[in-house]
Amino acid sequence: SAVISQKPSRDICQRGTSLTIQCQVDSQVTMMFWYRQQPGQSLTLIATANQGSEATYESGFVIDKFPISRPNLTFSTLTVSNMSPEDSSIYLCSVEDWGRKGKLFFGSGTQLSVL
Amino acid sequence: GQQVMQIPQYQHVQEGEDFTTYCNSSTTLSNIQWYKQRPGGHPVFLIQLVKSGEVKKQKRLTFQFGEAKKNSSLHITATQTTDVGTYFCAGPHSSNTGKLIFGQGTTLQVKP
Repeated sequence: SAVISQKPSRDICQRGTSLTIQCQVDSQVTMMFWYRQQPGQSLTLIATANQGSEATYESGFVIDKFPISRPNLTFSTLTVSNMSPEDSSIYLCSVEDWGRKGKLFFGSGTQLSVL
Repeated sequence: GQQVMQIPQYQHVQEGEDFTTYCNSSTTLSNIQWYKQRPGGHPVFLIQLVKSGEVKKQKRLTFQFGEAKKNSSLHITATQTTDVGTYFCAGPHSSNTGKLIFGQGTTLQVKP
C-alpha cells in the first residue's frame, strides 16, 4: 500500500489568489492523479502527472488554471490559480497501487473555500 | 464520452435494513472497483471485480459484476451506522492509461 501525505488539509482563500497543494508519497510511483470533488459530487479527474513530462489534462481543465509540477517520483504539486468561488472544492491526489493495477490510493484531500 | 452511472443518489435506511446501489457503464469494462468515502474523509478502496458474473463478499457486503461487464452492484445486508458514507463505483477509462471514471456515488444514511 501507499501512504500519501497531502497538504494543506483545508484553506480559505480570497478571490484572485492562488493556492498550491502538495502531495508526497512514501514510495516511487509512475503516475499521480489529481481529482476534484465539488460539494456533494463525484470525483472528476483534473490531470495525470507523470515524472519527467508535462501533465496530461482532461477536457475542461487547462494548464494555466491548474499548473502541475512533478519533480520526482514521490512528489507532485497542483496549483489552483486566479481562484474564484467556483473553485471551492475538495482536491485529491491519488496514486495507483503497484500490486493491483487500477486500484487507487487517495490522499486525505484539500478542502478549498474561495471567498 | 465514456460514462459510469450510479443509482440511487441517496438512500436513507433504518439500521438493520438492507441497502443496494447499482452501477452502469456506457462501455464494457475490464474491471470495476468500489470505493467508500466516509463523511469528511477520502475515498478508500473496497474491492475490484474482474471476471464476468463475478460475485465477491466482504462480511455483510456483496459485490457483483454483470455478465456483460457493463454493470455492477453493491449490496449491504443488515446495515449498521458504521456503513454511513458515499459509495462510488469506478471503471478504467477506455484509453487504458490508468485513469478511473467514477460514478456519481450513492450516499447512505443509516438511522439508528
